[in-house]
Amino acid sequence: SAVISQKPSRDICQRGTSLTIQCQVDSQVTMMFWYRQQPGQSLTLIATANQGSEATYESGFVIDKFPISRPNLTFSTLTVSNMSPEDSSIYLCSVEDRIGAKNEQFFGPGTRLTVL
Amino acid sequence: LAKTTQPISMDSYEGQEVNITCSHNNIATNDYITWYQQFPSQGPRFIIQGYKTKVTNEVASLFIPADRKSSTLSLPRVSLSDTAVYYCLVGSLVGGFKTIFGAGTRLFVKA
Repeated sequence: SAVISQKPSRDICQRGTSLTIQCQVDSQVTMMFWYRQQPGQSLTLIATANQGSEATYESGFVIDKFPISRPNLTFSTLTVSNMSPEDSSIYLCSVEDRIGAKNEQFFGPGTRLTVL
Repeated sequence: LAKTTQPISMDSYEGQEVNITCSHNNIATNDYITWYQQFPSQGPRFIIQGYKTKVTNEVASLFIPADRKSSTLSLPRVSLSDTAVYYCLVGSLVGGFKTIFGAGTRLFVKA
């Protein structure tokens, strides 16, 4: 199983600023995913990040607002740009692991972001 | 991606068996069914995955009827620590499994 760490674990930011969230995996993985989870809600997929290519964004999410880097097979960053209070949420990264016919995703602990 | 429908919440008591049913009427031939569990302030955790009939592991069983339009997660003898949100997901393993989460079912286990 993959072990995932995220930095920071939480932050409080001012409106209009940007925050970069780091995701580190203890093994090499092809696909990494970034999700957002607002309080009491389900997870919403922001984008899928493959190493060496541009991230693929889901409907409602754009690269200018959520730029993603994937410099190698163990690391990714998500930036939340020009933040507003509506961006207050928990941001989670996850990786896909396939063992035989089973596909499983492992999730990081999340980054709790509060925008004032 | 097939849409899933689950009950919003369920209550149970310690020691009971809990069955959570998920509807996925538009499931495709290549789609698998996966269940995740999420505790507060944690990321979701994989529980079980299956394609058809029955799958069992150390924590749960997954029952899938022949038409695969629904599935049931069975948790035997739940404890207070099983209080969590349970998500049913449907997706194909072909070409990358993009996991889209539905609303989930909030399970409350009472003493």
